[in-house]
Amino acid sequence: GQNIDQPTEMTATEGAIVQINCTYQTSGFNGLFWYQQHAGEAPTFLSYNVLDGLEEKGRFSSFLSRSKGYSYLLLKELQMKDSASYLCAVMDSNYQLIWGAGTKLIIKP
Amino acid sequence: DAGITQSPRYKITETGRQVTLMCHQTWSHSYMFWYRQDLGHGLRLIYYSAAADITDKGEVPDGYVVSRSKTENFPLTLESATRSQTSVYFCASSEAETYEQYFGPGTRLTVT
Repeated sequence: GQNIDQPTEMTATEGAIVQINCTYQTSGFNGLFWYQQHAGEAPTFLSYNVLDGLEEKGRFSSFLSRSKGYSYLLLKELQMKDSASYLCAVMDSNYQLIWGAGTKLIIKP
Repeated sequence: DAGITQSPRYKITETGRQVTLMCHQTWSHSYMFWYRQDLGHGLRLIYYSAAADITDKGEVPDGYVVSRSKTENFPLTLESATRSQTSVYFCASSEAETYEQYFGPGTRLTVT
């Protein structure tokens, strides 16, 4: 079956760095997405990786290793507004997104 | 207003009733999707559409019906609501298959 695994919850301190991991097993691979979802709101797009390596976008970076079925989202200089759930999603061979359950990130002052 | 909208935002209905959730986007995106989100689960795809008059099943289509007569609208109908369909429903759209999806604000549906 298809499976996306990410930690349920993480806690970090304002101003610090946090890495959220995602491992996947899917039938085919057409890219990996990261979305941010604040409580009670819709998911919003953060990043897309289809090739191995690191993609940097401001305070957020996303890494992909296709051979290991692994990705991480790196958040630097954490701010209180970064408190949210972070969703990992893989596009399978049918071009459908398979979603992880999300990682709830709690930022403490 | 530009973007993707859903209505109603909140709905309470009784078991066995038919209910339709509306989704409207103004970008003329080809692809539209319906997901449900439940605690402890990732988003699960119910149905999607690649263009007007083209729809296909996702992971959890049972009990749901969709149509897409116009590019901008993609209504989701629960023909006979059940308690297990209590959930938050998100509509999304994208320009192409591998592009990012833009999500509507969601509809919180409670079936009593």
